[in-house]
Amino acid sequence: EADIYQTPRYLVIGTGKKITLECSQTMGHDKMYWYQQDPGMELHLIHYSYGVNSTEKGDLSSESTVSRIRTEHFPLTLESARPSHTSQYLCASSDTTRVPGELFFGEGSRLTVL
Amino acid sequence: AQSVTQLDSQVPVFEEAPVELRCNYSSSVSVYLFWYVQYPNQGLQLLLKYLSGSTLVESINGFEAEFNKSQTSFHLRKPSVHISDTAEYFCAVINSNTGKLIFGQGTTLQVKP
Repeated sequence: EADIYQTPRYLVIGTGKKITLECSQTMGHDKMYWYQQDPGMELHLIHYSYGVNSTEKGDLSSESTVSRIRTEHFPLTLESARPSHTSQYLCASSDTTRVPGELFFGEGSRLTVL
Repeated sequence: AQSVTQLDSQVPVFEEAPVELRCNYSSSVSVYLFWYVQYPNQGLQLLLKYLSGSTLVESINGFEAEFNKSQTSFHLRKPSVHISDTAEYFCAVINSNTGKLIFGQGTTLQVKP
């Protein structure tokens, strides 16, 4: 079963604050992803990583940044949050030995910027 | 470029009725197709996948999907739904150029008693 954890689950903050959304997985997966999900909209890939010290921007431009210093950890940071960043952020991971497209998702972090 | 279109944003249905959630994709190459489910306040879970072989694939909870190459569709069906099937369902396809998943807009299945 999937073991991928996101914190916080819910976060309400004011404009201009710096925030970090945490994502950790205990499965030893090499690939990790961040998706942004808005109601009634498809999931958009904003960042991905294929291994330690490897990060790439996804299909949707985002002002957030990510890092991958350890295999199990893939945090996402917003230096200065704005109301336009209000969304749900989903972290996922996958194993290159598994079927392409078979992702394991965390429960999401719902961010509200006032 | 590949894309996925889910034709219904919401599907209300009564318990024990059959349901079909529609998904069409565009691709000029071989595809891998997926259905993911998101229960309220949870992350997405893989429901079923088509990679090759039999065009009809099944999940452990009674859902099935059929890959139809001529109609470029991968509709999800269940002959009799339960209240517990209430969730958001996402169709997805692998982008053959980048190897990344492309998701549809999602369909909310609302099962009423």
